[in-house]
Amino acid sequence: GEDVEQSLFLSVREGDSSVINCTYTDSSSTYLYWYKQEPGAGLQLLTYIFSNMDMKQDQRLTVLLNKKDKHLSLRIADTQTGDSAIYFCAESGAGGTSYGKLTFGQGTILTVHP
Amino acid sequence: GAVVSQHPSRVICKSGTSVKIECRSLDFQATTMFWYRQFPKQSLMLMATSNEGSKATYEQGVEKDKFLINHASLTLSTLTVTSAHPEDSSFYICSATTGQGFIGGYTFGSGTRLTVV
Repeated sequence: GEDVEQSLFLSVREGDSSVINCTYTDSSSTYLYWYKQEPGAGLQLLTYIFSNMDMKQDQRLTVLLNKKDKHLSLRIADTQTGDSAIYFCAESGAGGTSYGKLTFGQGTILTVHP
Repeated sequence: GAVVSQHPSRVICKSGTSVKIECRSLDFQATTMFWYRQFPKQSLMLMATSNEGSKATYEQGVEKDKFLINHASLTLSTLTVTSAHPEDSSFYICSATTGQGFIGGYTFGSGTRLTVV
C-alpha cells in the first residue's frame, strides 16, 4: 500500500528557516498536504500542492515537490517559537479504494529555540 | 471557512462501558467523514470512512463491532467505542469533506482524548 515517510525530529533557532522533508511511494497521488498539530489538538491544514505543480509559496511557507523522486518538502521562513508543533505530510490517493483517503507520515516534531 | 466540531474533547470512562464521540460539520454538508486514531507520538491511523446514509467502510484490522460508526445526516457522524478497555485509550480525530473534490477539502475536528480506566 501507500507509504509516507518523514524525519522524526527537527530543531532550529528562532529566525532561521526550517525544512521538513517527506517521501512517498504512491506515484498516483493527486494532492499532497502539510498539516500542523499542536499538543492535544486536531490537525490544521497549512498548505497543499497538486501533483502537477513543482512549487507553491504561501507567505512564510514554501512547498517543493519533486515528483520524479517522490519527495516533498516544507520550508518555513523566519521560524518562530509558535511554529513549534508536529508537522504531518499526507497524500491522497487518485482512485480505486484509495480515493479520498489520506495517508499520513509519522510526523516531524519541530522544536524552535529562542 | 469550514469548521468541524468534535465532542467531547476529553473523556474518562470505566472499562466495559461504551463511549460515543460526535463529529459535526457546522457550516457545510459533509458527504464523507473519516475517523482516525492516533497513539502518542505516532501518526494518524485511518479507522474507517463513513458516507452519509450508508454503512461505514472499515480499514483492515479495525473491529467494526467494537467501533460503531453512524453517519445518519450530512452534518453528523458518531463513533461509539463499545465495551471499552484500557487498550482503547487513544486520541480519536474525525475529518470531513464535502466530496466535491479533495482540494484542501479535509477539515479536521479538534480530537477526543479517550482514557479507559
